[in-house]
Amino acid sequence: SAVISQKPSRDICQRGTSLTIQCQVDSQVTMMFWYRQQPGQSLTLIATANQGSEATYESGFVIDKFPISRPNLTFSTLTVSNMSPEDSSIYLCSALPAGGGAEQYFGPGTRLTVT
Amino acid sequence: EDQVTQSPEALRLQEGESSSLNCSYTVSGLRGLFWYRQDPGKGPEFLFTLYSAGEEKEKERLKATLTKKESFLHITAPKPEDSATYLCAGHTQGGSEKLVFGKGTKLTVNP
Repeated sequence: SAVISQKPSRDICQRGTSLTIQCQVDSQVTMMFWYRQQPGQSLTLIATANQGSEATYESGFVIDKFPISRPNLTFSTLTVSNMSPEDSSIYLCSALPAGGGAEQYFGPGTRLTVT
Repeated sequence: EDQVTQSPEALRLQEGESSSLNCSYTVSGLRGLFWYRQDPGKGPEFLFTLYSAGEEKEKERLKATLTKKESFLHITAPKPEDSATYLCAGHTQGGSEKLVFGKGTKLTVNP
């Protein structure tokens, strides 16, 4: 398993600004992911954070809006850029531990409110 | 398009009243079916992975089963601490590790 922490846990931001969310894993993992969870909706994958290379984005999500970094095997950041109220959501980081299993482990989430 | 549908959206049970949650999926080349528990204000907590039809896994009062089209999460004699949202996710093929989630079932167990 893996223990994942996220910062900040919540924030209230003004439209037009940007917020960077940090994700730290307590052990080396093979893959890291960023999800969005909107009220009443399922978790939606934003992108896979690739170590040392550009993230792989899902349909409907673009790098200019959600730039992602992964400088090493245990840390990643997601930036929500030029925010609008529609970006209000919970953002979750997950990781796939080394060892062959397919289960992803999730951080506690970052609750973002854009006013 | 890969899709996971959970029912019911919400379920209220009395303590000790057993029931089942349903997860139906249309996921191309399913590589695994996952169940998670999510408490308010927290991230999903991994419960089970099922890989093939007929497989069953148990953990305390929970038992997960899998057929070719759906999965069930059976809750036997639930307690109030079992109250949570239960999420189902399909693991797709194609070289990625993408999970496709359902919207979840919010379970409330009353004492």
